[in-house]
Amino acid sequence: AQKITQTQPGMFVQEKEAVTLDCTYDTSDPSYGLFWYKQPSSGEMIFLIYQGSYDQQNATEGRYSLNFQKARKSANLVISASQLGDSAMYFCAMGADRGSTLGRLYFGRGTQLTVWP
Amino acid sequence: DTGVSQDPRHKITKRGQNVTFRCDPISEHNRLYWYRQTLGQGPEFLTYFQNEAQLEKSRLLSDRFSAERPKGSFSTLEIQRTEQGDSAMYLCASSPRVSGETQYFGPGTRLLVL
Repeated sequence: AQKITQTQPGMFVQEKEAVTLDCTYDTSDPSYGLFWYKQPSSGEMIFLIYQGSYDQQNATEGRYSLNFQKARKSANLVISASQLGDSAMYFCAMGADRGSTLGRLYFGRGTQLTVWP
Repeated sequence: DTGVSQDPRHKITKRGQNVTFRCDPISEHNRLYWYRQTLGQGPEFLTYFQNEAQLEKSRLLSDRFSAERPKGSFSTLEIQRTEQGDSAMYLCASSPRVSGETQYFGPGTRLLVL
């Protein structure tokens, strides 16, 4: 069974600093995808970044990068140069790798990030 | 380009009443998903459609829940005989035809059952 674990209920970071949000996963599938979403207090889930299990390089999207360590089954999100608007709940999720036939995403419990001035 | 929309955004109902939620996906997306999120938890998968076909249902989707996607466009999620435990955020997402593509979420419908 697929499982996502986020062990940090809350994280605090000062504006302009970098922060790492942890995510570990468990799956027996050889091929999978890892996603990070941001959920502000308004409730909408905003897609941030994707990493395929066979991707050779760590994914990057602007200030977001994914530190993917396959052997450790971890997919940590790194946010560089934090901004006040980054304050939100962050969810790690696992789903099918692109091209497979599966549909659902499995989510962790989330990490509440607070950025202070 | 419009994103995923959901209606209503908020719903308060009394226990035992039926409620129906609507989701309009991104227009070129063939896949549509429903998730439920309770306080302090991540979203949990309920069901998904490819075009009008319902391909997978979670065990969370009890007999009181039914989802449809007529004509492969918008989808509705109905909860019959609501219970207080149904209080949650109901999220809809859509993705392009290819499996495993990024799912884009709507703003959600917050349901409160009194």
